[in-house]
Amino acid sequence: ETGVTQSPTHLIKTRGQQVTLRCSSQSGHNTVSWYQQALGQGPQFIFQYYREEENGRGNFPPRFSGLQFPNYSSELNVNALELDDSALYLCASSAAGAFGTDTQYFGPGTRLTVL
Amino acid sequence: AQSVTQLDSHVSVSEGTPVLLRCNYSSSYSPSLFWYVQHPNKGLQLLLKYTSAATLVKGINGFEAEFKKSETSFHLTKPSAHMSDAAEYFCVVSDRFGSARQLTFGSGTQLTVLP
Repeated sequence: ETGVTQSPTHLIKTRGQQVTLRCSSQSGHNTVSWYQQALGQGPQFIFQYYREEENGRGNFPPRFSGLQFPNYSSELNVNALELDDSALYLCASSAAGAFGTDTQYFGPGTRLTVL
Repeated sequence: AQSVTQLDSHVSVSEGTPVLLRCNYSSSYSPSLFWYVQHPNKGLQLLLKYTSAATLVKGINGFEAEFKKSETSFHLTKPSAHMSDAAEYFCVVSDRFGSARQLTFGSGTQLTVLP
C-alpha cells in the first residue's frame, strides 16, 4: 500500500456529462500527477500539480482540468465526456522541491465508464 | 523527447525458471528509469528505480534491472519466477519538462507464469 487513495473506485457516466475524481496524496508528498490508462495500454500523463498550481501538462484537451488543495489532495475534472474518456484514471504523489525525488507512488485508480 | 519501447508484449515462463523483460529507452538527458508492476484491477506498484548511483539495481520480490547506457537498455530480470509474479510490467522513464517531472510509460509486458 502506498498511502495514496482515490475515490470513487468505479463510476459510470453518459456522454456529455461532467465528472470529478479525487485523490489524497501520501503523507509528506506535495506533488500530484494524474494519468489516464486506456484498456490494454500504458498510462498517459495528463498533468501535474505542485503548490496548488499546474506545472506540467500532457497532450490532453482543456476539458481536462484539475485542482490541488492546501493539504495537497487533488481533483481531476473532465467536462463534456466522450466515449474515449473511458479508462482507468491514476493519481500519483511525489515529494518535489530542491531535495525532492521524482519517484511517484500510485493510488489504486478510478475506473470511469462513459456510455 | 523521451520514449520507452518494451520489446515483448507477452512473456510466458514456467514457475522456477528465469524471467527477462526487455526495455529500451530514449531520453535527451540522463534519465531516471523505473519498473512498475500492475496486478489485475490494481494500481501500479514500484518495483525498482535507477538514478545513476549504480548500474545494477535491486528491487522488491527478487527483481533486478541493469542500466546499460551504450545499449540504451534497462532490462528487468528475476532468477526464479513465482506464480504471484504474473502481472503487467511497465518500463518507465522520467524526465523534466519545465518544472514538472513527467513519467513516460512503455506499452507494457504481460507476464504469464505456468505451473
